[in-house]
Amino acid sequence: GQSLEQPSEVTAVEGAIVQINCTYQTSGFYGLSWYQQHDGGAPTFLSYNGLDGLEETGRFSSFLSRSDSYGYLLLQELQMKDSASYFCAVISGGSYIPTFGRGTSLIVHP
Amino acid sequence: DTAVSQTPKYLVTQMGNDKSIKCEQNLGHDTMYWYKQDSKKFLKIMFSYNNKELIINETVPNRFSPKSPDKAHLNLHINSLELGDSAVYFCASSPRASGSNEQYFGPGTRLTVT
Repeated sequence: GQSLEQPSEVTAVEGAIVQINCTYQTSGFYGLSWYQQHDGGAPTFLSYNGLDGLEETGRFSSFLSRSDSYGYLLLQELQMKDSASYFCAVISGGSYIPTFGRGTSLIVHP
Repeated sequence: DTAVSQTPKYLVTQMGNDKSIKCEQNLGHDTMYWYKQDSKKFLKIMFSYNNKELIINETVPNRFSPKSPDKAHLNLHINSLELGDSAVYFCASSPRASGSNEQYFGPGTRLTVT
């Protein structure tokens, strides 16, 4: 089967940097994606790592280490609007359908 | 210019009723999905369709039946609704089932069964 672990909640202040970790166990691992979901909204795609290393998209970066079955999402220069749930999702070869973690609620304080 | 749309946005109904949720995407994607998100925000795949054909049917009660009249539409019909069906149901689409398989989600349908 597949399992993903991520913290249930993270808090930080505006302007800070926060890292949301994700560890996974799966067979046929292909890649790791990250999605953001605001309360009452739909999940939206943030990033994808198919290879080891760091992918940067503006204030957000995502990292993957296949050998450690581990990834993280790094959010810099935090803004109040970054308060949301963040989901890591494992992509396995074959169906390529994402299996989502239980999400991390990020609370940004002024 | 809505990419993935769902109707209705809210659905309140009684146990035992039958209801449908409609989904349409105008992105030209080949693959569409239904997800269920429970009160703890756990997001779980229910069905996947590729070009109107069922690809994935996770462990879902057969009271749930998806129907895809064409590749731009994937509707979800639920028979004999139960209290445990209360959740937010998201439709999604993706351009191809490969690589990141980026999912484009609809706004969700909040189903409440009383």
